[in-house]
Amino acid sequence: AQSVAQPEDQVNVAEGNPLTVKCTYSVSGNPYLFWYVQYPNRGLQFLLKYITGDNLVKGSYGFEAEFNKSQTSFHLKKPSALVSDSALYFCAVRANMDSSYKLIFGSGTRLLVRP
Amino acid sequence: DTEVTQTPKHLVMGMTNKKSLKCEQHMGHRAMYWYKQKAKKPPELMFVYSYEKLSINESVPSRFSPECPNSSLLNLHLHALQPEDSALYLCASSQGPRVNQETQYFGPGTRLLVL
Repeated sequence: AQSVAQPEDQVNVAEGNPLTVKCTYSVSGNPYLFWYVQYPNRGLQFLLKYITGDNLVKGSYGFEAEFNKSQTSFHLKKPSALVSDSALYFCAVRANMDSSYKLIFGSGTRLLVRP
Repeated sequence: DTEVTQTPKHLVMGMTNKKSLKCEQHMGHRAMYWYKQKAKKPPELMFVYSYEKLSINESVPSRFSPECPNSSLLNLHLHALQPEDSALYLCASSQGPRVNQETQYFGPGTRLLVL
């Protein structure tokens, strides 16, 4: 069965410091991996995805994520956090052998960037 | 342009009312989705339409009735809802099911309160 784990309910970081939001996955076959961000009372915004190729993926707003097949991880990173990055972050996976459109979402991690 | 619009933004309805949620995209996407999201939880997939045909129904109660009148529009008809159906309802779209078509873009959502 496919699954996604975000082990931290909340991540706290000071503005200007690097941030990491963790994600691990379990799928059959090669995964398609996504990160979305959700601000209060808003829909989800697509940040970045990994399909194939370079393990380091760059996305919107200075975010990047590193695909690590051996550790089945896809952690979201940013070199210097902004207060405006404070939001709810979701990791999601779709198995590439899956012919359906379903995304499996993690439980979400709340990022709090303090000034 | 990756915009998905949803109306209304907020909706309050009684348990005997009939109402509809509307979703629209003009990106030429051929897959459209309805999700339900409770506070601080990940989105839960409800329905998927692919090329205007219902592709996935995640065992959603019949008081929720989806409709896809054309490739740009997706409706969700609501009837005899329960208070526990109160949630944020998100619409999303993607180009299609194939590789590099699968990124889902979300609308801002309709916040529904059932009294």
